[in-house]
Amino acid sequence: GEDVEQSLFLSVREGDSSVINCTYTDSSSTYLYWYKQEPGAGLQLLTYIFSNMDMKQDQRLTVLLNKKDKHLSLRIADTQTGDSAIYFCAESMDTGKLIFGQGTTLQVKP
Amino acid sequence: EAQVTQNPRYLITVTGKKLTVTCSQNMNHEYMSWYRQDPGLGLRQIYYSMNVEVTDKGDVPEGYKVSRKEKRNFPLILESPSPNQTSLYFCASNKGFTDTQYFGPGTRLTVL
Repeated sequence: GEDVEQSLFLSVREGDSSVINCTYTDSSSTYLYWYKQEPGAGLQLLTYIFSNMDMKQDQRLTVLLNKKDKHLSLRIADTQTGDSAIYFCAESMDTGKLIFGQGTTLQVKP
Repeated sequence: EAQVTQNPRYLITVTGKKLTVTCSQNMNHEYMSWYRQDPGLGLRQIYYSMNVEVTDKGDVPEGYKVSRKEKRNFPLILESPSPNQTSLYFCASNKGFTDTQYFGPGTRLTVL
């Protein structure tokens, strides 16, 4: 079945790079997404990658996709305290169905 | 202002009492979805709709109903709520798959 897995917690120091990892099982996904959720708020779409791409860069964010291993990662360069949040990866099927991971809590220490 | 609104924001109810959570968007988006968020499980999609009168099951549709009679509204109906439906619910809308998905503020539901 469809499943998306993430590690639950990551702690980094301000200024370091953060790498959040995600694995998925369904090879028929069309797009893969990264969302950010700040406390008490809904989800904010950060970036996405089409399933036939390997990499996408958007300012401080770099998304890497290894389709063979079904592995997705989000790298945040120069992590700031404002980046502290829960990060969700998600995959979409061509039917419109969206599957989310459990979320990774990123803690940024000053 | 572009937004997704949900009502109510908080609701405490009892087992078996039918309830509806409303969701409305003012951006003329085709896609709308309902999610529930539970600790350690992330967000799980309940139902989604790709247009008026077109709805489909997400990951956890059991115990829920939806309707999409108009483009702007996508209510979530719990015909007979049970305690395992206690959760934080989010409605979201977007124009297309890769477009920004706008989330509502969330509805915290407690079923006693």
